[in-house]
Amino acid sequence: EDQVTQSPEALRLQEGESSSLNCSYTVSGLRGLFWYRQDPGKGPEFLFTLYSAGEEKEKERLKATLTKKESFLHITAPKPEDSATYLCAVQEETSGSRLTFGEGTQLTVNP
Amino acid sequence: NAGVTQTPKFRILKIGQSMTLQCTQDMNHNYMYWYRQDPGMGLKLIYYSVGAGITDKGEVPNGYNVSRSTTEDFPLRLELAAPSQTSVYFCASSYRGNHGAGGRNEQFFGPGTRLTVL
Repeated sequence: EDQVTQSPEALRLQEGESSSLNCSYTVSGLRGLFWYRQDPGKGPEFLFTLYSAGEEKEKERLKATLTKKESFLHITAPKPEDSATYLCAVQEETSGSRLTFGEGTQLTVNP
Repeated sequence: NAGVTQTPKFRILKIGQSMTLQCTQDMNHNYMYWYRQDPGMGLKLIYYSVGAGITDKGEVPNGYNVSRSTTEDFPLRLELAAPSQTSVYFCASSYRGNHGAGGRNEQFFGPGTRLTVL
């Protein structure tokens, strides 16, 4: 059974204090790993897809990386508007288009 | 494009009542999905569809039914509401993606329906 574990559950940062969120996964064959951002009361918003170990993608202050067992979402010099829950999901090779989500990391960035 | 739209935004049901959650997408996506999200938890897949007329169970299908008569619409039916179905429900859609063929398969989500069963 696919498993996705995100850590930490919650993270508080000061504005400008860089950090990383972790997503570790167990699948028999990875088709893709997805990162989403979710604001309170809203649906998840797509950020990145990573397909193979060693791949990296960037968007503004966010950079996602992938190894064979985990993915990191690096946040550089965060701002209060980066506060949200970040969700990781994996798509396994034999699961078609279905995603298995982790429970998320709730990020709070204080000014 | 409006993307994925869901109605209603909020609903309170009594135990045993029935209702249908509506979902529509205007991106011509083949695949559509229903998830539920309980407080502090990730999303759990209820049902999904790979095209009109085709549906399949996800991780937590009990107590729900779906239909897919058109590409655009994917309604979720609750027949006998129970307190355990209190949750936020999200509909999503994606291309018939295959990365190897250059397709994209990220899912796009609607704003959600917050359902309370009392």
